[in-house]
Formats: sequence, structure tokens, C-alpha cells
Amino acid sequence: KNEVEQSPQNLTAQEGEFITINCSYSVGISALHWLQQHPGGGIVSLFMLSSGKKKHGRLIATINIQEKHSSLHITASHPRDSAVYICAVPMYSGGGADGLTFGKGTHLIIQP
Amino acid sequence: KAGVTQTPRYLIKTRGQQVTLSCSPISGHRSVSWYQQTPGQGLQFLFEYFSETQRNKGNFPGRFSGRQFSNSRSEMNVSTLELGDSALYLCASSFLDSGELFFGEGSRLTVL
Repeated sequence: KNEVEQSPQNLTAQEGEFITINCSYSVGISALHWLQQHPGGGIVSLFMLSSGKKKHGRLIATINIQEKHSSLHITASHPRDSAVYICAVPMYSGGGADGLTFGKGTHLIIQP
Repeated sequence: KAGVTQTPRYLIKTRGQQVTLSCSPISGHRSVSWYQQTPGQGLQFLFEYFSETQRNKGNFPGRFSGRQFSNSRSEMNVSTLELGDSALYLCASSFLDSGELFFGEGSRLTVL
């Protein structure tokens, strides 16, 4: 079964700083998800990626399949980026019927 | 395009009762998955349905069950509620069985 480790668990930064959140997993996968959860519970899917790099606005996600590692970067961080960021991967080999296993999340606070 | 709708949003039950939660996916999405989120365990996969078939189930007791209807709407049921079942229950839909996930706002269950 896949094990997911996220770091850091908590991160406080100043507005404008470059943010990096890391995710490592133990079993080879077909795709990895980055999710964002704001206070109150709602979860938004930020990225689903299986190789290389994806960019959406100020958010960039990269994945290294060989090293079983992914990073989420936020450029020019803003207080509205304050949220919990969660990495998720297939529970097993990534076949079509896999459920997901989740990291414990990174609590990010961006101070003005 | 309407998002994923979960009902009810909040509910309070007592130990021993049962509860049914509903999830209406985005129109055209055939995959619905369910997750439990607690402060202690974080996000955990419950089960996934695709075209009315349960494709995978997480490590939860048989008290947790679900189904999917021909219109892709899904329900999950928890029987003989325990205090530890208090959680935020989230559902997500996707167009493909391993595609990008779109989450509902969740149903917050409190068991007294």
C-alpha cells in the first residue's frame, strides 16, 4: 500500500514569499493530485499530474516519477493562499480501480 | 455548470442510529468517490463507484455502505453509528474513473 509523506506540516510565511510544499510516496503511481482545503471544509483540486510540470497562475506543480516525489510551489504568495494543501496518490499501483491515499496536509499561513 | 451537491450539509445523530448521505455529481460525470475526514486520521478513502458498480473500497467496517444510481447520483449509509463516526464526509465526482476530482462541500456528521 502506498505511503505518503508531506512536508512541512506547518508553514508560516510573509506575503510575496516563494512557497514550496513537498510530497513523497512509496509505490509507483499513474498520477498524483494536489488539493487545497480552506477553513470550512471545501476541497478544490489544484492539479492532477503524471509527469513533468504543470502551471496554473501562481501555482506550479512538479513530479519526479523515478524519485517518487512531487512539489507544489506558490510564487508571489498572498494571504488568500492560506489553506491546507494535501497531496494524494493511488492506494496501490494506480490502476483504474484504485482509491486514493492522502498526505496529512500542509497548513500554510501567509501573513500580510 | 452546477458543481457536486451533497445533502444534508449538517446533521446530528445519536449512537446506534443510521444515516444516509447523498451526493449528486456534476452532470456527465460517472465516477463518484466518498471520503471521511477527521482531525485525527485526516482524509481517508471510503469507496468509489463508476457506472453503478463499486470499484474499490477502503479499510472501513461493513457498517459503511454505498450505492450509485443510474443517473450517477450516489448515497452512502452508515448503520449503527458510533461516536468515532463523527466526521466530515466528502464526495467527489470525475468524468473518467481516474480523472480530476471535483469535490462537494461535504456533510458534517456529529454522533452524540
